Amino acid sequence: AQKVTQAQTEISVVEKEDVTLDCVYETRDTTYYLFWYKQPPSGELVFLIRRNSFDEQNEISGRYSWNFQKSTSSFNFTITASQVVDSAVYFCALSEGGTYKYIFGTGTRLKVLA
Amino acid sequence: EAGVAQSPRYKIIEKRQSVAFWCNPISGHATLYWYQQILGQGPKLLIQFQNNGVVDDSQLPKDRFSAERLKGVDSTLKIQPAKLEDSAVYLCASSLKQGLSYEQYFGPGTRLTVT
Repeated sequence: AQKVTQAQTEISVVEKEDVTLDCVYETRDTTYYLFWYKQPPSGELVFLIRRNSFDEQNEISGRYSWNFQKSTSSFNFTITASQVVDSAVYFCALSEGGTYKYIFGTGTRLKVLA
Repeated sequence: EAGVAQSPRYKIIEKRQSVAFWCNPISGHATLYWYQQILGQGPKLLIQFQNNGVVDDSQLPKDRFSAERLKGVDSTLKIQPAKLEDSAVYLCASSLKQGLSYEQYFGPGTRLTVT
């Protein structure tokens, strides 16, 4: 059965620190996609990244980077030099072939303190 | 490009009352989703439409929840009668097509409180 685990419920860091949010997934499919979304206090889920199961290249976008490792079924998200505006709840999600529906983790609340 | 629109943003009702939520997806998006997000949890899919047809409603409590997308654009989600455990944020999302590589874009949600 498909499952997404975000073991970190809440993380607090001081501005300019680096922080990594963990995501571990379970799936029996060989074709699947992984996603990260940001949910600021306004409530809207904002798309950050999509990664398919055949592409294990790490990705960097500005201060954000993602590390996808199929061997450990992990898709971790790192924010470098965190800023107060990064404070939000971050969700990891899995989508499998056949159903296409998203399975979300429980989210990690990130608090960046000035 | 306008995003996914939802209304109302907030709703407070008493248990056993009925309530309806409205969603207008991004123009041209064929696939529309309704999610329920209970406080402290990730969103859970309630129903998925492809144009005006239902693709997946396996997690929709059909004894009290209903949804429609009559013309393949706007959608409404209704709860009748509401229960205390229905208190949650109801998120609408849309994607260009149904498929793994199409990311979903979310609206701001409707926060429902049932007292």
